[in-house]
Amino acid sequence: DAGVTQSPTHLIKTRGQQVTLRCSPKSGHDTVSWYQQALGQGPQFIFQYYEEEERQRGNFPDRFSGHQFPNYSSELNVNALLLGDSALYLCASSSGQGEGSPLHFGNGTRLTVT
Amino acid sequence: DQQVKQNSPSLSVQEGRISILNCDYTNSMFDYFLWYKKYPAEGPTFLISISSIKDKNEDGRFTVFLNKSAKHLSLHIVPSQPGDSAVYFCAASDTGFQKLVFGTGTRLLVSP
Repeated sequence: DAGVTQSPTHLIKTRGQQVTLRCSPKSGHDTVSWYQQALGQGPQFIFQYYEEEERQRGNFPDRFSGHQFPNYSSELNVNALLLGDSALYLCASSSGQGEGSPLHFGNGTRLTVT
Repeated sequence: DQQVKQNSPSLSVQEGRISILNCDYTNSMFDYFLWYKKYPAEGPTFLISISSIKDKNEDGRFTVFLNKSAKHLSLHIVPSQPGDSAVYFCAASDTGFQKLVFGTGTRLLVSP
């Protein structure tokens, strides 16, 4: 039973560029959330997708956008990258918007912005 | 504004002893609290949770205690094992298990 898978594992981008990160949820899960974990900090909620729509959003600028596909997989897009966007990006999945269902996390994508 | 705080960046205990990890929160609207464990190069793994209507929840060696009046929760691991060495994150939510607010983590080292 495959868990949450994320790609790529590592990524290096230049300031001002755009990046797309990908996530496949755990089998049986239909809700995907994205978190940003800066060095020495806990994960911070970016947004959640359910039924191909953004359902909840954290305190992140519009440069951060996402998409969910009919097969429940998801993408996180970040435009106009800043040095401060360097972080571990975690994808988490759950079932039915997660009422009573803890999040299952992937291993993350390490983004470095130079 | 840090709504969930883990004031101890690290904790060292000996194998077989009790590990106690602490967490404080400020938002009285939080109604679910969770603990996640994270090994290097892996994503956080769910450990145990508690809802605000309870004050204790047990799962094997892991027990979480919630003191709502003090806005404080703790995770007890008894007995501690070397494999428990990891970073432990406390998280809280006011929307079930979704939109989690995490603390900064406590690194636990259990020595043989």
